[in-house]
Amino acid sequence: NAGVTQTPKFQVLKTGQSMTLQCAQDMNHNSMYWYRQDPGMGLRLIYYSASEGTTDKGEVPNGYNVSRLNKREFSLRLESAAPSQTSVYFCASSANPGARTDTQYFGPGTRLTVL
Amino acid sequence: GIQVEQSPPDLILQEGANSTLRCNFSDSVNNLQWFHQNPWGQLINLFYIPSGTKQNGRLSATTVATERYSLLYISSSQTTDSGVYFCAASPGSFQKLVFGTGTRLLVSP
Repeated sequence: NAGVTQTPKFQVLKTGQSMTLQCAQDMNHNSMYWYRQDPGMGLRLIYYSASEGTTDKGEVPNGYNVSRLNKREFSLRLESAAPSQTSVYFCASSANPGARTDTQYFGPGTRLTVL
Repeated sequence: GIQVEQSPPDLILQEGANSTLRCNFSDSVNNLQWFHQNPWGQLINLFYIPSGTKQNGRLSATTVATERYSLLYISSSQTTDSGVYFCAASPGSFQKLVFGTGTRLLVSP
């Protein structure tokens, strides 16, 4: 099993450009998440998908859109990139949110720089 | 929303030493997890521990939910323990986690 995979690993954009970050998991998990990590601020939840066909806003959703394409894939789109969106983006998945033993599994991250 | 605070922010240890990392949270939680981010950026879940005590090898964690804190113990530290340790919590049943700012640990040989 590859676990959670993310593409691309690195990306440089100019202000105003758009791009989509891809995430896929092969663990048959129900829920998927997108976080951003900025220096000294820990991780912050952007959007999540509790199950296939549903998406909801997290802590910092402005400037982003998401699509839960199917059970395996959850993409994050920046329609008009801004320098404030320079960050490392992590995708995660979990099997049964709310279950007492559930845990989140993270992808390797995408380092995005917006000039 | 819930606030999650971790201490200390930085910790330097000699190999073989023990350490305790603390996580305070401002609200009752149904979900609390500890993660390790290695120097290459990979995040690994260590414990799912909204209450009680768990142990996994040299690591153990205790959450006292009534007093709103959790502790992560690292015994006989190794250089591979270096990285950032995050605590994350959620007051709801769903994993809408709020992360602390982490404790950066450096274990020197």
